[in-house]
Amino acid sequence: QKEVEQNSGPLSVPEGAIASLNCTYSDRGSQSFFWYRQYSGKSPELIMFIYSNGDKEDGRFTAQLNKASQYVSLLIRDSQPSDSATYLCAVKKGGSTLGRLYFGRGTQLTVWP
Amino acid sequence: KAGVTQTPRYLIKTRGQQVTLSCSPISGHRSVSWYQQTPGQGLQFLFEYFSETQRNKGNFPGRFSGRQFSNSRSEMNVSTLELGDSALYLCASSFGRQGATQETQYFGPGTRLLVL
Repeated sequence: QKEVEQNSGPLSVPEGAIASLNCTYSDRGSQSFFWYRQYSGKSPELIMFIYSNGDKEDGRFTAQLNKASQYVSLLIRDSQPSDSATYLCAVKKGGSTLGRLYFGRGTQLTVWP
Repeated sequence: KAGVTQTPRYLIKTRGQQVTLSCSPISGHRSVSWYQQTPGQGLQFLFEYFSETQRNKGNFPGRFSGRQFSNSRSEMNVSTLELGDSALYLCASSFGRQGATQETQYFGPGTRLLVL
């Protein structure tokens, strides 16, 4: 079982729609969860992090965490073509030493006009 | 505040050669992590340094090594290059302490290595 799994995609949504990206993790003791966006040929850039159960909103982005289900998601409201990128989920496992994040393989999102 | 910088940005080497990549973290960050990214394997963790000590290590052969200096700048070295080492090498920096804010990693632009 992989440490972090993401819906493989690719995911395609029309402009203005809500894009939903999902991530599950295997370690129940995981503590912090991060979403990164990576444009083709570029490096990952942080969107947001979450560590408490529930929702966390930042502009058009909402991260949702459910530790009981070991599930974290990212919702992008009013999707724009500029949101077309690969989205990476990363997890800080419980009990692991500091400095190590575990990344999923990413979900490729395409927003068409 | 300046971001993470990596040099060089692009590199072409031949099999058997060695290469050294450099990473300067965000000011105040003491942790530097290195990743290899390929289309087939995604982001793979190489190692992480904190206060000049290797704190974490991924599953890469000993040809991959690194170090960190007192100013938190880090270098990674790959010896005896193989064709399969062609990849984007990313470094990321963080404060390196407990807590989501402290552990958030910020990536540099990467070094794209091509081994011929």
